[in-house]
Amino acid sequence: GAVVSQHPSRVICKSGTSVKIECRSLDFQATTMFWYRQFPKKSLMLMATSNEGSKATYEQGVEKDKFLINHASLTLSTLTVTSAHPEDSSFYICSATDRGATGELFFGEGSRLTVL
Amino acid sequence: AQTVTQSQPEMSVQEAETVTLSCTYDTSESDYYLFWYKQPPSRQMILVIRQEAYKQQNATENRFSVNFQKAAKSFSLKISDSQLGDAAMYFCAYRPQHHDMRFGAGTRLTVKP
Repeated sequence: GAVVSQHPSRVICKSGTSVKIECRSLDFQATTMFWYRQFPKKSLMLMATSNEGSKATYEQGVEKDKFLINHASLTLSTLTVTSAHPEDSSFYICSATDRGATGELFFGEGSRLTVL
Repeated sequence: AQTVTQSQPEMSVQEAETVTLSCTYDTSESDYYLFWYKQPPSRQMILVIRQEAYKQQNATENRFSVNFQKAAKSFSLKISDSQLGDAAMYFCAYRPQHHDMRFGAGTRLTVKP
């Protein structure tokens, strides 16, 4: 099956710094990638949809200047949490679609961000 | 609005027994996909089973099967012969064609030895 790799799996940073999370599709071209956020014991909440070569579409309530998403190639999307604060601490998961007939999304391993 | 509802925050099953997890969804679309994902403590999302809305036949994957009732917008997951490794968080998910995927709140399944 299609593989999505997410890096780093864990990151700790100081308040006010920026953190970049990478999401790569290893064996397929991902024209669309999705970024989700998951709080402890909660469900996945869609943050934004990124399409290769165009601006990301953010869900209502998600600050686009706080969460910068770049999808510069068919295999790489990045999420940058700018000027991170403790309330940004969360589990972030990316997923990608190969536009196949299954409708399935392929998920990365997730990244746990802790902001001190 | 497209929503997915899982009304069982927690479920418990005895090893080797059968358990059913409930899911309902709301949509005005006619063409879409439904999924059950498993999230173990590692938090990696693992696809359990998938159903295309246009297919009337219920999907099955070994010990996992679904009861898809399109008119009722219901999509339950049955796990037969439950194993200790089945313990996890289970998310029901809905995805219309070429759109994003929406998840239910999840059901935490405990398997008792």
